[in-house]
Amino acid sequence: SQKIEQNSEALNIQEGKTATLTCNYTNYSPAYLQWYRQDPGRGPVFLLLIRENEKEKRKERLKVTFDTTLKQSLFHITASQPADSATYLCALDPSGSARQLTFGSGTQLTVLP
Amino acid sequence: GAGVSQSPSNKVTEKGKDVELRCDPISGHTALYWYRQRLGQGLEFLIYFQGNSAPDKSGLPSDRFSAERTGESVSTLTIQRTQQEDSAVYLCASSPGTGNEKLFFGSGTQLSVL
Repeated sequence: SQKIEQNSEALNIQEGKTATLTCNYTNYSPAYLQWYRQDPGRGPVFLLLIRENEKEKRKERLKVTFDTTLKQSLFHITASQPADSATYLCALDPSGSARQLTFGSGTQLTVLP
Repeated sequence: GAGVSQSPSNKVTEKGKDVELRCDPISGHTALYWYRQRLGQGLEFLIYFQGNSAPDKSGLPSDRFSAERTGESVSTLTIQRTQQEDSAVYLCASSPGTGNEKLFFGSGTQLSVL
């Protein structure tokens, strides 16, 4: 069956360090993958999209990699700050149309001051 | 409006009652999605509307769930004869509808069925 797994439910790191979150998937061949941030009581907010033919995408302190052979995406936050504390969700769309975007259960990141 | 608006933000109901949740998408967005998020879990796809095409209802968990959309504007998600397992946050999202795109989410409706 199709499955999306995010590496851990919770991740604590020290301010200034790099946070690395993992998204693994099975039985999908996604056209692209997205990462979202969700704060308590709010809806997810889009961060980055990476296509199947892209290896890496960057935006400010954020970096996403996409390895279709390993069926894995890594999400990095460099020089992390307490304000980065949130739940981060990965989402897959096999078709490329966002018709049925499938989400992982998320990783709760806490950046300690 | 500037973003996706959902109402009510909180709804408490008794088991067996019907509830109606509302979503106002971003103006001009032709695609609209409903997701359900149970406590501590990921988002579960419910239904997708795109313009005048037939909606994709493949995620609706039972025939107690239905949704409508008026043109390319407001959508309502109706849950009939609510059950305790329906308790969750119901999230609505919209997108321009051109494909390969990000979703814009509302803040959700927290539904509690007693």
